[in-house]
Amino acid sequence: EAQVTQNPRYLITVTGKKLTVTCSQNMNHEYMSWYRQDPGLGLRQIYYSMNVEVTDKGDVPEGYKVSRKEKRNFPLILESPSPNQTSLYFCASSPYGGGPGNTIYFGEGSWLTVV
Amino acid sequence: GDSVTQMEGPVTLSEEAFLTINCTYTATGYPSLFWYVQYPGEGLQLLLKATKADDKGSNKGFEATYRKETTSFHLEKGSVQVSDSAVYFCALRGAGGTSYGKLTFGQGTILTVHP
Repeated sequence: EAQVTQNPRYLITVTGKKLTVTCSQNMNHEYMSWYRQDPGLGLRQIYYSMNVEVTDKGDVPEGYKVSRKEKRNFPLILESPSPNQTSLYFCASSPYGGGPGNTIYFGEGSWLTVV
Repeated sequence: GDSVTQMEGPVTLSEEAFLTINCTYTATGYPSLFWYVQYPGEGLQLLLKATKADDKGSNKGFEATYRKETTSFHLEKGSVQVSDSAVYFCALRGAGGTSYGKLTFGQGTILTVHP
C-alpha cells in the first residue's frame, strides 16, 4: 500500500528541546516536502527536496532544518523549538515526472505543541 | 508568486442544502487545481482535481470546473450531508521548475452541516 508515514503523531515538548519528526515514503518518489497548517492560513510549505541531497527552503523555513540522505526519508528537525512552532505538520511526497496533475500523497499529520 | 483565495468561512448549512465554496487563484502558466478535504481529527484527502482549462473534477457528489478566464475553481455539491462537515482546501500546483511539487493552499473553509 502506498504510504507516507510520519512520527510522532502527537507530541508536547518544551521550548528549546531539540526534536525530530520523521517522514518515510514507500513509493520511490523523488519529491518530498513539509507543510505546516495553521488556522486561517491554510498549509504553507516549510522545506522541500527534489531528490537525495537536494533540499531547498519553502515559504516558512525559519526555525527548521531538513536532510535527505536516503530517497525514502525526509526528517524535519526543530533545533530549538519555540511556542510559535506549535502547529499541525504534514509530510508529502510525489514523483517528479508525469505532469502537475500527479497525485501528491500526504502523511496523516503530526500535532506538535511547544510549551 | 502563486496564490489561492477561498471564500471566508465558516459555512453552516442544513442537510440537503446546496453548497458553493468559492476559490480563485493567481498563477503563471497553466497550473493544476485541487480540492482537498480534512475531516475532524484526520489528515488531508484529495477530493478532486482538474489539470487544464474547462476540465471538471468530480467525486462523492462534489464538482469543480477549471475556469481560466475567471481564474476560478469553485466547489459545488447539490445536496450536502452531515458527513460532509469538514475543512475544505483549494490548492494549485505549478506547471514546472522548483514549484513543480509544491501545492499552494487557500486558507481553508470550515463547513458544518446540521441535520
